[in-house]
Amino acid sequence: AQSVTQPDIHITVSEGASLELRCNYSYGATPYLFWYVQSPGQGLQLLLKYFSGDTLVQGIKGFEAEFKRSQSSFNLRKPSVHWSDAAEYFCAVGFPKAAGNKLTFGGGTRVLVKP
Amino acid sequence: NAGVTQTPKFQVLKTGQSMTLQCAQDMNHNSMYWYRQDPGMGLRLIYYSASEGTTDKGEVPNGYNVSRLNKREFSLRLESAAPSQTSVYFCASSQRDSRDQPQHFGDGTRLSIL
Repeated sequence: AQSVTQPDIHITVSEGASLELRCNYSYGATPYLFWYVQSPGQGLQLLLKYFSGDTLVQGIKGFEAEFKRSQSSFNLRKPSVHWSDAAEYFCAVGFPKAAGNKLTFGGGTRVLVKP
Repeated sequence: NAGVTQTPKFQVLKTGQSMTLQCAQDMNHNSMYWYRQDPGMGLRLIYYSASEGTTDKGEVPNGYNVSRLNKREFSLRLESAAPSQTSVYFCASSQRDSRDQPQHFGDGTRLSIL
């Protein structure tokens, strides 16, 4: 069955330090890949997406993600974290044969930023 | 730009009561979705509507019904609320024809069932 895993439930990082959030999926072909961010009390906002081509994609707010086919991974990175990056981050996967443009979400990683 | 609007934002119900969550989008999107969000479980799809006039079950449809009233509106109904339905509910929309289009989310409805 298709699945998405975010192995880290919580991550604490100091302001100015780098951040990497992991995402792994299980699927027989290359899916469509997304990262969303959710600030407290808010809906989900799209950070970036990957469909094909260059495996390093740039997103908003200084985030980037790298697709690695061999590892079935799509990890999110930011070189220098700001206090405003404290939020919950969700990896989502769209499978090309899924009807209705459905997405499967990982369980989320909550990021805490220390001053 | 309103995007996706959900009402109400908060609601408390007693077990057995019924309720309808409303969702409207102004982006002329074809597809609409209802998710529930529970701690540690990400978002799980309840129902979706690939286009006006169609609805389909998602991962966790039991206890819910939906209506795609028109292209803009997609409502979620709890006929007899249960404590297990305490959750945050999100509505989303996207273009239909391209599977690589992202979904746009509302701000959620926080629902507590006592």
